[in-house]
Amino acid sequence: DVKVTQSSRYLVKRTGEKVFLECVQDMDHENMFWYRQDPGLGLRLIYFSYDVKMKEKGDIPEGYSVSREKKERFSLILESTSTNQTSMYLCASSIFVRTSNQPQHFGDGTRLSIL
Amino acid sequence: SQQGEEDPQALSIQEGENATMNCSYKTSINNLQWYRQNSGRGLVHLILIRSNEREKHSGRLRVTLDTSKKSSSLLITASRAADTASYFCATDSSGTYKYIFGTGTRLKVLA
Repeated sequence: DVKVTQSSRYLVKRTGEKVFLECVQDMDHENMFWYRQDPGLGLRLIYFSYDVKMKEKGDIPEGYSVSREKKERFSLILESTSTNQTSMYLCASSIFVRTSNQPQHFGDGTRLSIL
Repeated sequence: SQQGEEDPQALSIQEGENATMNCSYKTSINNLQWYRQNSGRGLVHLILIRSNEREKHSGRLRVTLDTSKKSSSLLITASRAADTASYFCATDSSGTYKYIFGTGTRLKVLA
């Protein structure tokens, strides 16, 4: 069974702090994703990575950056947090198939509160 | 409305009844997927239906896809209290690796 592990379930930070959210998958998946989930807005893609050191911006990358130094690990970085970044953050991974998107496997999420 | 929009937003039924939720999307797709999310947890993949398929079954789940109407439905038969969750459809965006999720249907199954 695929396991996607996010480093924290709950996190409380103050505005202006730098935050690292870590995600590790154990199935050698090429693709990894970071989403945020807000009530009424569904899941919105922040960043996507299809290989080590490769990344693509999603729909809402502003205020975020990512790092993928190893295939199994995908980190989301909030350089200087603001209250509007309070949200549930979800990491996911999937295998790569050129012709179509494959099922994603999600971690349990990190509920981040910025005070 | 955004791609992959679910309907209804919320549904409350008695245990043993069937639950039907619908998803509409806007652009052409390669496949459509349904996910479940229990409260406070991540999403779990339920079923994938390809654009050339019309119906797919998995246990108590039945998914249909009508590409002419750009819509899909998820039927859960003989529902159980454990089916209480939010259900999301996700479509791929042809030519990209992005998945587009809807805002979900909140299903409550009463014992």
